[in-house]
Amino acid sequence: AQKITQTQPGMFVQEKEAVTLDCTYDTSDQSYGLFWYKQPSSGEMIFLIYQGSYDEQNATEGRYSLNFQKARKSANLVISASQLGDSAMYFCAMRDFYNFNKFYFGSGTKLNVKP
Amino acid sequence: EAQVTQNPRYLITVTGKKLTVTCSQNMNHEYMSWYRQDPGLGLRQIYYSMNVEVTDKGDVPEGYKVSRKEKRNFPLILESPSPNQTSLYFCASSLETAPLRTDTQYFGPGTRLTVL
Repeated sequence: AQKITQTQPGMFVQEKEAVTLDCTYDTSDQSYGLFWYKQPSSGEMIFLIYQGSYDEQNATEGRYSLNFQKARKSANLVISASQLGDSAMYFCAMRDFYNFNKFYFGSGTKLNVKP
Repeated sequence: EAQVTQNPRYLITVTGKKLTVTCSQNMNHEYMSWYRQDPGLGLRQIYYSMNVEVTDKGDVPEGYKVSRKEKRNFPLILESPSPNQTSLYFCASSLETAPLRTDTQYFGPGTRLTVL
């Protein structure tokens, strides 16, 4: 079964606007961690933000924030004030308590920021 | 500079010719892992290692081997490559993994492999 689902293969956003990238996950564990990575066209994987399942507050890192809805099993990435340099692939990933050595990635969302 | 290095960055080879992709990290990380990235599938874990001489299969281990003889190195071996192993490969490391650890992984630059 798919552990991580990203339903938006591609998205467009106008520069300076906010955008939400969707991520839903599947686990029966109560304890798990969720990660978001950015992959620019150059190919490297850049860590953006982390959310733990027991964290009471939604994670934030600069212009990145995570809209974590535990009951819905969703961990959407919100990018505020989009910049042209935000154009990239974005991957959601998870590791859970039972298989804590394994990381599961979604299929990614390609974000294009329009000037 | 803290980093994960991979070599080669690009490789074109032929079916059946054994190859090794090297991975090295200078952060004294215990955990290392290999992924392959394919369009529409995201990253899938091939093998991981929790420490020296401790390795285990990920979700797509068939056709690959790994070894962890030193903490810093984690080579990926394709004994008899086939065209369906054409992919972008990433090595990653993190300080350790354990339940409730929040450590992220640090990724190498990737190796683009084409098997003809």
